[in-house]
Amino acid sequence: NAGVTQTPKFRILKIGQSMTLQCTQDMNHNYMYWYRQDPGMGLKLIYYSVGAGITDKGEVPNGYNVSRSTTEDFPLRLELAAPSQTSVYFCASSAGTADQPQHFGDGTRLSIL
Amino acid sequence: QKEVEQNSGPLSVPEGAIASLNCTYSDRGSQSFFWYRQYSGKSPELIMFIYSNGDKEDGRFTAQLNKASQYVSLLIRDSQPSDSATYLCAVKAGSYQLTFGKGTKLSVIP
Repeated sequence: NAGVTQTPKFRILKIGQSMTLQCTQDMNHNYMYWYRQDPGMGLKLIYYSVGAGITDKGEVPNGYNVSRSTTEDFPLRLELAAPSQTSVYFCASSAGTADQPQHFGDGTRLSIL
Repeated sequence: QKEVEQNSGPLSVPEGAIASLNCTYSDRGSQSFFWYRQYSGKSPELIMFIYSNGDKEDGRFTAQLNKASQYVSLLIRDSQPSDSATYLCAVKAGSYQLTFGKGTKLSVIP
């Protein structure tokens, strides 16, 4: 059972570098989400998608970009990495209506130095 | 702004006792309520969800919802050390987005 797969699991970036966090799901879910979780905090929604070609901003989108060219993949792009983007990033997906629970990947721990 | 409030804890209970976790939310239009468990360094995993007022039971877990009071709770009966984790309350209201609380850290003492 692959479910939601995120790569990489860990990454250290220098300030100003860019990178893409990968997320793939094999459950044929239409809805996909990117969250960040800072220590002692809940999850903050960065971007979400309701289907291929459709994305929208969440609560904290600044500094990030997304695309959704296929149902399976929902990559998150950091363009000019800043220390404030040091966090744990979780990708999630859900099926059917928005009432369906979200299933999470294992996360990417990102440090910006 | 939609808010979900949880006591950050830590909540300490002895093994075998009932753990009671509470959550309040600000948006009266909220429709769906979810409890996730998150072990340290791991991703959130769904424990229970509830849509209607009243109680919903699943094994040792009971979710309780009171929309009039804008209150949702999770009871864990016969608490085990393996239940020690952070419990996240999440609320959905009329959109695709979940709003998460900051979580309550539960510690079950053997």
